[in-house]
Amino acid sequence: GAGVSQSPSNKVTEKGKDVELRCDPISGHTALYWYRQRLGQGLEFLIYFQGNSAPDKSGLPSDRFSAERTGESVSTLTIQRTQQEDSAVYLCASSPQGRGSGGELFFGEGSRLTVL
Amino acid sequence: AQSVTQLDSQVPVFEEAPVELRCNYSSSVSVYLFWYVQYPNQGLQLLLKYLSGSTLVESINGFEAEFNKSQTSFHLRKPSVHISDTAEYFCAVSAGGGSYIPTFGRGTSLIVHP
Repeated sequence: GAGVSQSPSNKVTEKGKDVELRCDPISGHTALYWYRQRLGQGLEFLIYFQGNSAPDKSGLPSDRFSAERTGESVSTLTIQRTQQEDSAVYLCASSPQGRGSGGELFFGEGSRLTVL
Repeated sequence: AQSVTQLDSQVPVFEEAPVELRCNYSSSVSVYLFWYVQYPNQGLQLLLKYLSGSTLVESINGFEAEFNKSQTSFHLRKPSVHISDTAEYFCAVSAGGGSYIPTFGRGTSLIVHP
């Protein structure tokens, strides 16, 4: 497709289980971002990938969170031993990096995670 | 470091009335500024952006925002709103050099009443 694709769109899991969220960016976009949106809150930055550079992991809230990206394609966000406070919508965005893009992001529709 | 403040969490307004959604930012470097909109049950999408040049930027659906460097603001305005403008609006800022990781505000819910 032409846009950013995320799966699953909804995930309900039990506390303590691991979950994996997937993001397919727009073809040719070198930058990829993960954000978290808790109910009633703004977007919280998690991690940023740019080409083959080391990712910026400064937003990951704990070592239970990790993310990978192969080249300039699919990314997966993994949350281990989920907690109820992990419940949120996880948003992926991609960007055609470079000064001209000015950081404009193209978002997927998000993966809603509910931890029971 | 940069931050964004959206002072109003919710703005109710009647259809055809004017509206202003406020956004203030802080940054130690030059910035790029954005407004994103999230319609009900949809993903975020870019509404308008300021990168350089004219401080007044417009969207295709009648919104405009003005970059005010002295007041570090980027308020969003529309002279006459429609029911279809009901949505969540997010202001974002990214540094004008280096890595472009936008920082988002908490969002303002615009509720347009008939």
